[in-house]
Amino acid sequence: ELKVEQNPLFLSMQEGKNYTIYCNYSTTSDRLYWYRQDPGKSLESLFVLLSNGAVKQEGRLMASLDTKARLSTLHITAAVHDLSATYFCAARSQGNLIFGKGTKLSVKP
Amino acid sequence: GAVVSQHPSWVICKSGTSVKIECRSLDFQATTMFWYRQFPKQSLMLMATSNEGSKATYEQGVEKDKFLINHASLTLSTLTVTSAHPEDSSFYICSASPGGNTQYFGPGTRLTVL
Repeated sequence: ELKVEQNPLFLSMQEGKNYTIYCNYSTTSDRLYWYRQDPGKSLESLFVLLSNGAVKQEGRLMASLDTKARLSTLHITAAVHDLSATYFCAARSQGNLIFGKGTKLSVKP
Repeated sequence: GAVVSQHPSWVICKSGTSVKIECRSLDFQATTMFWYRQFPKQSLMLMATSNEGSKATYEQGVEKDKFLINHASLTLSTLTVTSAHPEDSSFYICSASPGGNTQYFGPGTRLTVL
């Protein structure tokens, strides 16, 4: 059974500094996703990582995948207030997405 | 492109009544649709997967007689919460997939059962 763990679950960030969220999954998965969720809203797709060593960047966010370590990271560069939200990673197992518990980011000025 | 809508966006109902939630893919055909439930400050939990024209596959612990799913066409799936109780209050999110890697998520439906 695929399990997905994120850490930290809460992250209080200072503007301008860099941070990393970690996503570990327990068994082989062929896809790794990152999503953003604002309060009361649905999910916004950020990245889909398909292969070992994949790296994708969008603005201040960069996601990477190490399938051998079963680890994905979401790196935040020079945090800004607009990035405050909850971020979920999800791994795919037998066609279904299994979500981590989410990491709630709060950026303080 | 790739827009998924849900209706209603929120609903309040009395305990014991049934509530239907619609999920539509507006600009693509969804071979598979997924229903998730999210309790406050928790992650999304997959409830069931449905393919057009066939019975839904429910995740362990999800009562199929309580959460009726119908995927009658390639653009519409419905979730009916039968005999709703306060513990069914949650944020229900659907997603639709045209195939391949991607699921497109709907905006969610907030259900409150009094």
